[in-house]
Amino acid sequence: KQEVTQIPAALSVPEGENLVLNCSFTDSAIYNLQWFRQDPGKGLTSLLLIQSSQREQTSGRLNASLDKSSGRSTLYIAASQPGDSATYLCAKGGSYIPTFGRGTSLIVHP
Amino acid sequence: DVKVTQSSRYLVKRTGEKVFLECVQDMDHENMFWYRQDPGLGLRLIYFSYDVKMKEKGDIPEGYSVSREKKERFSLILESASTNQTSMYLCASVSMRGKLFFGSGTQLSVL
Repeated sequence: KQEVTQIPAALSVPEGENLVLNCSFTDSAIYNLQWFRQDPGKGLTSLLLIQSSQREQTSGRLNASLDKSSGRSTLYIAASQPGDSATYLCAKGGSYIPTFGRGTSLIVHP
Repeated sequence: DVKVTQSSRYLVKRTGEKVFLECVQDMDHENMFWYRQDPGLGLRLIYFSYDVKMKEKGDIPEGYSVSREKKERFSLILESASTNQTSMYLCASVSMRGKLFFGSGTQLSVL
């Protein structure tokens, strides 16, 4: 069964740091890779979608990259802020059904 | 942008009740999904549907059923609610480009 792993599971950093969140997958057959943010008790909000033909996508302080050959995606958060505190999940689209990682819980403290 | 609407943010039900969770999307997506999310277990797929009246079991379908009579609406049914079905339930639809859109979730408590 294909798996998606997110490392680290939890992260606590001071405000202003640049962060890298990792997402790795075992099956190289990939349609796309999507990053989400989830606040406590809420649904998932899409941050970035990278199609398999792309290498990266950027939105504001966020940059996501995709390396199919190594089975990895990274989410880079620049100049982190307390409002970035949330759980970040990645989802690999490879077939009918997307596969999710379990997320990285991020706390950015002032 | 696409909107996926779940009818309730919070629900409290009693053991044995029949529970209906409704999900509506407004962008004519064919594929829709129901997940439950529990601490430490991540998202687990209950059922998905790839067209009207078409459904497939996910990883944990026991105790649940679904209905998709119209393309925009995908309902999750708990036939006889049990305490171990207390969870956050998330509905999603996916565009032709493969982008997933989620509803805001329903936190269900079964007492």
